[in-house]
Amino acid sequence: QSVLTQPPSVSGAPGQRVTISCTGRSSNIGSGFDVHWYRQVPGQAPKLLIFGNNNRPSGVPDRFSVSKSGTSASLAITGLQAEDEADYYCQSYDTSLSIGVVFGGGTKLTVL
Amino acid sequence: QVQLVQSGAEVKKPGASVKVSCKASGYTFSTYYIHWVRQAPGQGLEWMGIISPDNGRTTYAQKFQGRVTVTRDTSTTTVYMELSSLRSDDTAVYYCARDGVMGATPAVFDHWGQGTLVSVSS
Repeated sequence: QSVLTQPPSVSGAPGQRVTISCTGRSSNIGSGFDVHWYRQVPGQAPKLLIFGNNNRPSGVPDRFSVSKSGTSASLAITGLQAEDEADYYCQSYDTSLSIGVVFGGGTKLTVL
Repeated sequence: QVQLVQSGAEVKKPGASVKVSCKASGYTFSTYYIHWVRQAPGQGLEWMGIISPDNGRTTYAQKFQGRVTVTRDTSTTTVYMELSSLRSDDTAVYYCARDGVMGATPAVFDHWGQGTLVSVSS
């Protein structure tokens, strides 16, 4: 059971816009901690996608954007492309006793 | 370029210990914290702990306290993660990851090792 809740799967057709939600609680996202997002292709290590307030590592297109409100955050992907198909994870910090870094359970994005 | 290169796959019996290494290169080793994250087959990511390569200070997730030990060797710029009293549900890919933004909360994992599969089976 992950501390942050993500939908198990989302899908969209090429060119469409999809969003992936990440729901936390008052001890993590609701406390104002940043949310970061990672992309993982099966069989490979996760890669940093976006961190904090729409900060993108070199090479990540601005088709990827994030928002945050209250105890939730969202990752939006516009102009969906076949190579976007992957697993996406959100990450934040939890102040509950000895939890620390927390991840969402991951969302499988399928490009139809 | 920044690289984190981990040791190879391990097969262990229940009750045994495993020690996974993570060799860092391409940056000043002492400057950035290193974390360990694991991923069970078909599951999500789980944070295990952190080490400061500068002073060796560690913090572990409560779930692993007493079973995990993270150390570093500054002479070889290598971080080690040892997990003891292995159980079948410790079967997972173990990753080291660099916290690339100093002072950020939560940590920003900007570089990851390739992962080390640890299989626990009798």
